[in-house]
Amino acid sequence: DGGITQSPKYLFRKEGQNVTLSCEQNLNHDAMYWYRQDPGQGLRLIYYSQIVNDFQKGDIAEGYSVSREKKESFPLTVTSAQKNPTAFYLCASSLQGQRTGQPQHFGDGTRLSIL
Amino acid sequence: AQSVTQLGSHVSVSEGALVLLRCNYSSSVPPYLFWYVQYPNQGLQLLLKYTSAATLVKGINGFEAEFKKSETSFHLTKPSAHMSDAAEYFCAVSATGRRALTFGSGTRLQVQP
Repeated sequence: DGGITQSPKYLFRKEGQNVTLSCEQNLNHDAMYWYRQDPGQGLRLIYYSQIVNDFQKGDIAEGYSVSREKKESFPLTVTSAQKNPTAFYLCASSLQGQRTGQPQHFGDGTRLSIL
Repeated sequence: AQSVTQLGSHVSVSEGALVLLRCNYSSSVPPYLFWYVQYPNQGLQLLLKYTSAATLVKGINGFEAEFKKSETSFHLTKPSAHMSDAAEYFCAVSATGRRALTFGSGTRLQVQP
């Protein structure tokens, strides 16, 4: 079955540590996205990528980094510069950019906590 | 700029009662509008989408939404609530020039037996 796989489901970070969240999709989608979800705040866009080797900052990119070396993969690194990383992280993909009204498909998320 | 406002962070209904979840948007251009549902510790699942083909949009699980341009609204309804509808619901908007969705803050629906 096609879909988006996020791993791990739960992740713990120590002070000063960088951690990487994995996102893989086999939907042959061009665009991929990372969102952060905090209680009562909905989803906020961290980074997005329309094509391989290209990505743009979203609304809350500080303290995060991404890469898009393959169409199927869009890993997110939470760096030590992100002082409040505890949140639920969601990866999504869409067939084309949102300009065409394509819906986004979501993974099941990674919950990141601080040790 | 575009934004989404969901009125009511929590809505409680009885099983079998009408479900009404409110969403208002602001967009300088005709938008694409979406409703998503999220169950605990899961990702978001698409319920329905509006892309200008018809103002009344039918989705999965018996939900539907009506696009009202004059009211800038896209409220989600279901005639009869079921216990399995208990979840968090998000309204989202996208418009040309913004290459990602803008989400509302969500409405948690409780269904009482």
